[in-house]
Amino acid sequence: EIVMTQSPRSLPVTPGEPASISCWSSQSLLQTDGIHYLEWYLQKPGKSPQLLIYSTSTRASGVPDRFTGSGSGTDFTLRISRVETEDVGVYYCMQARQGPYTFGQGTKLEI
Amino acid sequence: QVRLQESGPGLVRPSGTLSLTCGVSGDSLKNNDNWWAWVRQPPGKGLEWIGEIHHSGSTNYHPSLEGRVTISMDKSHNEFSLRLTSVTAADTALYFCARDILVGAVYDVWGQGTMVTVSS
Repeated sequence: EIVMTQSPRSLPVTPGEPASISCWSSQSLLQTDGIHYLEWYLQKPGKSPQLLIYSTSTRASGVPDRFTGSGSGTDFTLRISRVETEDVGVYYCMQARQGPYTFGQGTKLEI
Repeated sequence: QVRLQESGPGLVRPSGTLSLTCGVSGDSLKNNDNWWAWVRQPPGKGLEWIGEIHHSGSTNYHPSLEGRVTISMDKSHNEFSLRLTSVTAADTALYFCARDILVGAVYDVWGQGTMVTVSS
């Protein structure tokens, strides 16, 4: 099982300022098709998770361009260029390189 | 607009069987190549992938649940289901169903979640 580790666990931010979340995997997430199967989800308070980023860096439909995903191998990052109040919640990275798919512990973004 | 809705008992006795259904609207389980997944979240904790089913009937399960978990699909009712046997308090969680639209667990639509408590 691939273990996913996120940092920090808690991220206090000021609106308008940038934010960054790191995610590491215990094995490379590079698949034979050249894609790193790493997704980012945001779970807003009291809500279901929502897809932000897939395949490391592709924004999901409707996701603002202030969200950027990057990384390769075992090291990945989600950056928010300018945090807005609506970005509050818990961010999870998830690997789909091999089953069972696994999530990071989550990073709670607070304003 | 695609919607998923979980349904099922909110309370299950220890050693009993948890059975949930995810109703799908706005998409058809018959006519696409998607996978359909179950994810759970214990109270105050993170997300845990349970398993998934393809419209062909193929399934993948979390090894820690193997032997207890079954995911099935009823295309005529456009729904898929989760069955978990021999439940314990550790199975108490908010259970979500989700649609996977691409290779790589790309869950673009989620249900609202349903809380299941295992208690006598």
